[in-house]
Amino acid sequence: LAKTTQPISMDSYEGQEVNITCSHNNIATNDYITWYQQFPSQGPRFIIQGYKTKVTNEVASLFIPADRKSSTLSLPRVSLSDTAVYYCLVGGILTGGGNKLTFGTGTQLKVEL
Amino acid sequence: EAQVTQNPRYLITVTGKKLTVTCSQNMNHEYMSWYRQDPGLGLRQIYYSMNVEVTDKGDVPEGYKVSRKEKRNFPLILESPSPNQTSLYFCASSLRYGSSYNEQFFGPGTRLTVL
Repeated sequence: LAKTTQPISMDSYEGQEVNITCSHNNIATNDYITWYQQFPSQGPRFIIQGYKTKVTNEVASLFIPADRKSSTLSLPRVSLSDTAVYYCLVGGILTGGGNKLTFGTGTQLKVEL
Repeated sequence: EAQVTQNPRYLITVTGKKLTVTCSQNMNHEYMSWYRQDPGLGLRQIYYSMNVEVTDKGDVPEGYKVSRKEKRNFPLILESPSPNQTSLYFCASSLRYGSSYNEQFFGPGTRLTVL
């Protein structure tokens, strides 16, 4: 499984855009990139998944450069309720469809007024 | 409501007393999995199941057992719990194994303390 590296923590203010970058230098051809969000004492929640270029949904955007060795989760106009831990994961069909997920320690995002 | 449920949510027990944490999902998912979460270590996968009667070890399976007799249920069994199994446990499920789309749905967690 591709190892991922992300910042341990980030701070932001309400209304700002937050970009969390994840490094995955040994990502395999079949690997997808997925981001999860976790609030204290709750299970992680799926945010977004992508393979290349840009993916956008109602809560976030995911930017993946051509070499796919990194990815950036973009949260537009964050609020206090976005304070959580964000995990970047990679996996694909050859590793059980990404089902056998390996979570790192994630990025603790703290949003203040 | 589509969900993954776990029971109990909190459990304090003593070393060596067998226990079972139940997990159930109502989404007809093929794939189910157990994770433990410890401070500074993130989530680590214990066991997973690709379908009924098909299970495999994750990254930290020692001291745990699982079974998958029905599609909706995936209990986690600790035959002889030890203090190092004190942790927050999560059950998760997803539609199928082997798909590139891997959204997993997590349960609310079970906080286990072994004295």
